[in-house]
Amino acid sequence: GAVVSQHPSWVICKSGTSVKIECRSLDFQATTMFWYRQFPKQSLMLMATSNEGSKATYEQGVEKDKFLINHASLTLSTLTVTSAHPEDSSFYICSARDPSGRSNTGELFFGEGSRLTVL
Amino acid sequence: GESVGLHLPTLSVQEGDNSIINCAYSNSASDYFIWYKQESGKGPQFIIDIRSNMDKRQGQRVTVLLNKTVKHLSLQIAATQPGDSAVYFCAENRGSGYSTLTFGKGTMLLVSP
Repeated sequence: GAVVSQHPSWVICKSGTSVKIECRSLDFQATTMFWYRQFPKQSLMLMATSNEGSKATYEQGVEKDKFLINHASLTLSTLTVTSAHPEDSSFYICSARDPSGRSNTGELFFGEGSRLTVL
Repeated sequence: GESVGLHLPTLSVQEGDNSIINCAYSNSASDYFIWYKQESGKGPQFIIDIRSNMDKRQGQRVTVLLNKTVKHLSLQIAATQPGDSAVYFCAENRGSGYSTLTFGKGTMLLVSP
């Protein structure tokens, strides 16, 4: 089946630094990718929709200058948490849509998540 | 506001029992529903989906029931196994493109051997 890969799977950084998380679709081209944030014991909250070749669409309340999204190719979207602070510590998950219709398990595939800890 | 929610935050069952996880949704415009399984420290894994023109769909050991009258969705897992222990989320999609995929709060399923 379709595979979405995230890197790094976990990262620890100091407050004030920036962290980049990559999301790759390994065997399909994804014109649209989604970034979610998940706090412990909570649900996934959509942060933004990443569109290849255009600006990301952010959900209400998500700071676009803090969470920079770049979708420069059909297989890669990146999320950069700028000037990270401890409250940004969370589990970040991306998903990608495979529009080919070849999968019988839906069109949306999730990465394994990236756990960010800001000290 | 409109949201997808779950009745039970934790469900504990014995191995071999059947499990039922419930979900209530409030947006009558939602036309597609998905159940995901999330193991600790991992991303969500697709289990089964159902469209609003259906009221039941079966997979391998899983069945999803949709009651549009009361806006209720359930996931039934037959012969629950310890490997089924995880958090289960329902999600609703209000149209095409998945940009409006909204997740419920999740239910943790604990299966005792």
